[in-house]
Amino acid sequence: DSGVTQTPKHLITATGQRVTLRCSPRSGDLSVYWYQQSLDQGLQFLIQYYNGEERAKGNILERFSAQQFPDLHSELNLSSLELGDSALYFCASSLGTSGKRGNEQFFGPGTRLTVL
Amino acid sequence: AQSVTQLGSHVSVSEGALVLLRCNYSSSVPPYLFWYVQYPNQGLQLLLKYTSAATLVKGINGFEAEFKKSETSFHLTKPSAHMSDAAEYFCAVSDSWGKLQFGAGTQVVVTP
Repeated sequence: DSGVTQTPKHLITATGQRVTLRCSPRSGDLSVYWYQQSLDQGLQFLIQYYNGEERAKGNILERFSAQQFPDLHSELNLSSLELGDSALYFCASSLGTSGKRGNEQFFGPGTRLTVL
Repeated sequence: AQSVTQLGSHVSVSEGALVLLRCNYSSSVPPYLFWYVQYPNQGLQLLLKYTSAATLVKGINGFEAEFKKSETSFHLTKPSAHMSDAAEYFCAVSDSWGKLQFGAGTQVVVTP
């Protein structure tokens, strides 16, 4: 158990809909990262937050947005869903923002999104 | 830009045999490199990380990796495979903000 929790575990929805994925980081971690894992694209970084502020953006679509709240939990919002958005979405957390020693990322179990 | 390339999307090893998973990196600055393992229907778990302290890095479950700057490689090895090693393994490089760039992954199958 990494200490990172994600809800829900599974989500099945229809094209055009909007969903929200939730992540609670490990106690004490200030950084939250979101990744998407799909068969055709592999594991891709989406976005990073540190202590409530956006710090880095990756291959995140405009239809997707995220935020980190004062209690440090984060939500990833996916809207106007398409079939191709079906994937496993992981949240990870770390203590700080640096890639240097000590900034190990701990991954949650993921949310499997299926768009029908 | 930083990137990693994993050679071989599937590797089959016999139980008790050497496990060797290959990873080459590309980075304009000294890299921070990681190996993660993903068991079926689970999240990623850190096996080991290289942060320039030592070129031979020991991780969990008997895995180790050697950083070779001249070859831009960070291959993962385990002397003797166990059935429980069957999983997908990802090599990753971190940028200065900490975000990870993953390789495509290598699926390891262990045969009795």
